[in-house]
Order: sequence, then structure tokens, then C-alpha cells
Amino acid sequence: GDSVTQMEGPVTLSEEAFLTINCTYTATGYPSLFWYVQYPGEGLQLLLKATKADDKGSNKGFEATYRKETTSFHLEKGSVQVSDSAVYFCALSDTGANSKLTFGKGITLSVRP
Amino acid sequence: SQTIHQWPATLVQPVGSPLSLECTVEGTSNPNLYWYRQAAGRGLQLLFYSVGIGQISSEVPQNLSASRPQDRQFILSSKKLLLSDSGFYLCACLPRAGTGVPYEQYFGPGTRLTVT
Repeated sequence: GDSVTQMEGPVTLSEEAFLTINCTYTATGYPSLFWYVQYPGEGLQLLLKATKADDKGSNKGFEATYRKETTSFHLEKGSVQVSDSAVYFCALSDTGANSKLTFGKGITLSVRP
Repeated sequence: SQTIHQWPATLVQPVGSPLSLECTVEGTSNPNLYWYRQAAGRGLQLLFYSVGIGQISSEVPQNLSASRPQDRQFILSSKKLLLSDSGFYLCACLPRAGTGVPYEQYFGPGTRLTVT
């Protein structure tokens, strides 16, 4: 079945540091890929998405590129802020009618001032 | 745009007691609806999904059940809670094709359940 693997956490960075969070996936067919963010005590919000190979999703300074050849969707940001502290989930969606999401385990990012 | 309401926001229940969590959706008709559970260190697990009124698919065996009595209402229930049912429960909505970002699910604020 489909699966998503995220790097182990938690991750602690200083403000303005460069961020990379690795995500790889296993899926049949051609899934859509997502990064969701969960701020403390809240539900999930979509951060960015990519629906086909070589697409780059971007939002709020974050970027991720759909790499079919390496089955990866790594999240990057050039300069993190304290407000980026949250849990980040990589996910894929099958493209069938039910569109079920498969999530990675999530990684907690803490940014120090 | 879609808005998802969940209640209660937090709940503390003893082992063996019943459970009812409610999710309602505004801003779309005939959506797919989903229940996820987030347990510490285990990411999000899909529990149930529904493509229409009265249509429920279960993803994992457990002592929970789901129902969809109305188009935009999704309920998660249990007759007798277990300690292992503790977690953060999230309801999600996938708008009908053509009414939103393809395959993007929208999430509610969640319910924190602690079984004691």
C-alpha cells in the first residue's frame, strides 16, 4: 500500500537558519503530494501541494518539488522564523474517487529566537 | 470556502464510557468526509471515510464506529472507550470535484480525547 516516510525529529533551529525536512513516498500510480502544518493546539492547514512530477509547490517562503525519480517531496525554507514552529506532515493522496490521504508521522520544528 | 466545526474541543472520559464526537461542514455539498486520529508519535491515521449519506468505510479494525446521518454531518462513536482511544481526532472534508483544489482535504480544529 501507499506510505510516506519523514525524517526523524524533533528539529530545533535558530531563527534565520535554513530548513530541510525530508519526505519520501511509496505509491502506485501518480499521487498528489502535500505538506500540512499543525500549529500548537490547532487542526491541520495545507501548506503547499504538487500534483504532478516536477511541480514545485510554494507558500509562505516554503518550497517543495515533486521528484518522481527519487520519490521525494522535501520541504525547504531559506530562513525560518519563530512563528514557523509547528508540526509538519508530508502526505500523499491517491487520485481515486475517495482521495484518501496517507500521512507521514510528522516532525516537530522548534525555532529559537 | 469550506468551514469544518468539531465539538467538543476537549473531552475527558472514563474507560468503558460511551463516546460521541460530532463534525459538521459548511460551504460545500455532498463532500467526502473523513475521521483521522493523531496519537502521540504515530502521525495521523485514517479511521473512517464517507462518500455519501449512510455510506461509511472503515480503514482499521477498532471499537469505534462512524455514521453520516446528514450530508454535512459526520459522527464518531464508541459504546465503550478504551485507554488506547486517547488521542486527537480530526475531521476532514474533501469538496466535490470541481469545487476546490483537486484532492485537497480541509481539516477541522480537532477534539482532544483523554480516556482515564
